[in-house]
Amino acid sequence: DIQMTQSPSSLSASVGDRVTITCRASQNINNNLIWYQQKPGKAPKLLIYAASNLQSGVPSRFSGSGSGTDFTLTISSLQPDDFATYYCQQSYSTPPFFGGGTKVEIK
Amino acid sequence: QLQLQESGPGLVKPSETLSLTCVVSGGSISSSGDYWGWIRQSPGKGLEWIASIYYSGRTYYNSSLKRRVTISVDTSKNQFSLRLSSMTAADTAVYYCARLKILHFDPWGQGTLVTVSS
Repeated sequence: DIQMTQSPSSLSASVGDRVTITCRASQNINNNLIWYQQKPGKAPKLLIYAASNLQSGVPSRFSGSGSGTDFTLTISSLQPDDFATYYCQQSYSTPPFFGGGTKVEIK
Repeated sequence: QLQLQESGPGLVKPSETLSLTCVVSGGSISSSGDYWGWIRQSPGKGLEWIASIYYSGRTYYNSSLKRRVTISVDTSKNQFSLRLSSMTAADTAVYYCARLKILHFDPWGQGTLVTVSS
């Protein structure tokens, strides 16, 4: 099974900050990496697929990069609506495991 | 617009079996290439994939839960179901259903909280 590790587990940032979240896979997954955003009490929402492709409707301040085992989610200028928990998930093979999540909090 | 809706008991006693159903609307559960899955999230914790199924009946299970889990599909009702046996407090969680397409989950149901307590 491919394990996913996210860092940091939480971070505090201010509106307007550039935020970077890292996800590492336990083996090469090429570009088969998904990012989700989850707000309290809500289901996760698909943000990015295939490591760098924005889902329709997702603001362009979100971007994803990486290939192989190391991936990054970047929010270029943090907005109030972006305070949430972010999860990565490998889409290379079954089981489709998730990372542990990164909670983005207001500083 | 594809939508999924979970249903089931909010409270289950220890050792009992949980049964959940996910009704798919706005699309066919038999759509080629679409799998259907269950994911859960314990209070304050991360996301755990439980199982997935194709309309043909092909199934995939998380090995950590496999001996207790059964996923099934009913194409005539456009729905799929989850059964989890021998429930304990550790199974208390929000259970989500979702479409699984090219191994990514979208869309998701709103989730249903299941509490295990006597």
